[in-house]
Amino acid sequence: LAKTTQPISMDSYEGQEVNITCSHNNIATNDYITWYQQFPSQGPRFIIQGYKTKVTNEVASLFIPADRKSSTLSLPRVSLSDTAVYYCLVGPTGGGNKLTFGTGTQLKVEL
Amino acid sequence: DTEVTQTPKHLVMGMTNKKSLKCEQHMGHRAMYWYKQKAKKPPELMFVYSYEKLSINESVPSRFSPECPNSSLLNLHLHALQPEDSALYLCASSQEGIMNTEAFFGQGTRLTVV
Repeated sequence: LAKTTQPISMDSYEGQEVNITCSHNNIATNDYITWYQQFPSQGPRFIIQGYKTKVTNEVASLFIPADRKSSTLSLPRVSLSDTAVYYCLVGPTGGGNKLTFGTGTQLKVEL
Repeated sequence: DTEVTQTPKHLVMGMTNKKSLKCEQHMGHRAMYWYKQKAKKPPELMFVYSYEKLSINESVPSRFSPECPNSSLLNLHLHALQPEDSALYLCASSQEGIMNTEAFFGQGTRLTVV
């Protein structure tokens, strides 16, 4: 399983765009990159998943460069309710495989 | 229905008690997972069930005993726990046989061992 490295914490203000970068130098050819969000005392929630280039959904964008050794989760115009821990996962994320969480990034959004 | 339901939400048990945590999903997922999460730490995988059979045990102590009685239910039986086992226990499910898919998590059971 590819090891991931993320910043421990980030601070932002409401209305700003937040970019959280994850390093995964030993990503395997078949690995996807997935991001989860977790609020205190709740289970993680899937945000977005991608393999290469750019993926966008209604809540976030995921940018993956050609070498795939890093990825960036982009949250547009954050609000207070986006304060949470964000986890970057690399590898199989379902199908009865291990779903392994790294240390995560605590995002704090202020007024 | 994209919910994973865990009961109870909170549980306090003594070190000599026997209790069970329950998890239920009706999404037709045939992969189900138990995680343990300590405060300010990431979730740690404990067990994985695939088609109701235990496929992964991450060297979890025998005082934790998982059970998957059918494709919708997952239990975690607890016996002779220690105070350090106090944590948030999370259940998750996903489609089986698809390598990259969304895993759905329950709200967790907050367990306190006294």
